[in-house]
Amino acid sequence: GQQLNQSPQSMFIQEGEDVSMNCTSSSIFNTWLWYKQDPGEGPVLLIALYKAGELTSNGRLTAQFGITRKDSFLNISASIPSDVGIYFCAGQWGETSGSRLTFGEGTQLTVNP
Amino acid sequence: GAVVSQHPSWVICKSGTSVKIECRSLDFQATTMFWYRQFPKQSLMLMATSNEGSKATYEQGVEKDKFLINHASLTLSTLTVTSAHPEDSSFYICSAPPGARETQYFGPGTRLLVL
Repeated sequence: GQQLNQSPQSMFIQEGEDVSMNCTSSSIFNTWLWYKQDPGEGPVLLIALYKAGELTSNGRLTAQFGITRKDSFLNISASIPSDVGIYFCAGQWGETSGSRLTFGEGTQLTVNP
Repeated sequence: GAVVSQHPSWVICKSGTSVKIECRSLDFQATTMFWYRQFPKQSLMLMATSNEGSKATYEQGVEKDKFLINHASLTLSTLTVTSAHPEDSSFYICSAPPGARETQYFGPGTRLLVL
């Protein structure tokens, strides 16, 4: 089955630093998604990518859909304490709402003030 | 954005009892909803796809007789953990897409603790 490798597993950074994390897959996806999960809560959608090569920003967040459709990265610029949490990438093969998501293992981000 | 709610947010039960968790789409209709389970420090694992008006589709290794799913309306799916045991203790999260070609929005999750 499809597998997603997300790295790094954890990051400890100082406030104001930039952060980068990425996901790679053994097979292609039609959609890449990035979610953030706070403790005890459900994941919140940050960015959705629908086309190979697409680069999309959401405030201080920027994500790209790799040309090969097998990878994606998420950058966070000028990190702040509220960026703390677990970031998950997710790939979706199908183009309809019934298509399942495959999640990466997550990146735990800690921001020191 | 699309809002998905879950009830209850947490539940503690005795081993052997059954627990029902509700997932509701508050401002949209969803013919499909998804149920995930997440153990501490792990990623989300898809348990089943809930289809309105038809049987749920379960992932490999998930017992359909233990995790009963009912998607009786376009805004409500329920997951019932039957004869719960301590190993069923986990964080259960549902999701739903607000449109045919839209991505999934997640509920806030339900923490289940089986004693």
